[in-house]
Amino acid sequence: ILNVEQSPQSLHVQEGDSTNFTCSFPSSNFYALHWYRWETAKSPEALFVMTLNGDEKKKGRISATLNTKEGYSYLYIKGSQPEDSATYLCAFRSNFGNEKLTFGTGTRLTIIP
Amino acid sequence: NAGVTQTPKFQVLKTGQSMTLQCAQDMNHEYMSWYRQDPGMGLRLIHYSVGAGITDQGEVPNGYNVSRSTTEDFPLRLLSAAPSQTSVYFCASSYDQGATNEKLFFGSGTQLSVL
Repeated sequence: ILNVEQSPQSLHVQEGDSTNFTCSFPSSNFYALHWYRWETAKSPEALFVMTLNGDEKKKGRISATLNTKEGYSYLYIKGSQPEDSATYLCAFRSNFGNEKLTFGTGTRLTIIP
Repeated sequence: NAGVTQTPKFQVLKTGQSMTLQCAQDMNHEYMSWYRQDPGMGLRLIHYSVGAGITDQGEVPNGYNVSRSTTEDFPLRLLSAAPSQTSVYFCASSYDQGATNEKLFFGSGTQLSVL
């Protein structure tokens, strides 16, 4: 079983502040790293799929970086808004030859107005 | 565009009962999968399929059966429900999970309680 860890488990951030959180994954046999946003009472939605070491992706105020050699990815949110409140999930896929994604337990972000 | 459709949204079963959770997608996705979400744990893969007629086990397959007779449908069967199967179930699909950048599309989830 692959170990995918996210930290912190939960986070409260004042509206307008910027924040970031971490996803750690095995540094060997890397294939892809996914980020999903999961709002309460909705389905998870994909933010980014990252495949190359040093990759940086951006979507509006949200961005992500990837370090496959040391096995971590950061998700950044700039100028947090109430609609950013959600659980952010990362998922790791290895290149062992199957198609399985292993999810972390998520970081629950609450934006305080 | 309906995307991934899961039914039912809620279900209560008694221990020992069987039922099928339905999942259908209209995006011509080859890859379909079932996850369960439990408090304090990440989404855990139950079963997955890379195409019609092909299924494989995930991390937690015991007590569940799947089949994939068409590209569109991927039902999950609980053979004899147990309280340990109380969970939120998600169906997810992608065009081709063999490609490097294929994200998952999730259904709306099924909240299952087994008494």
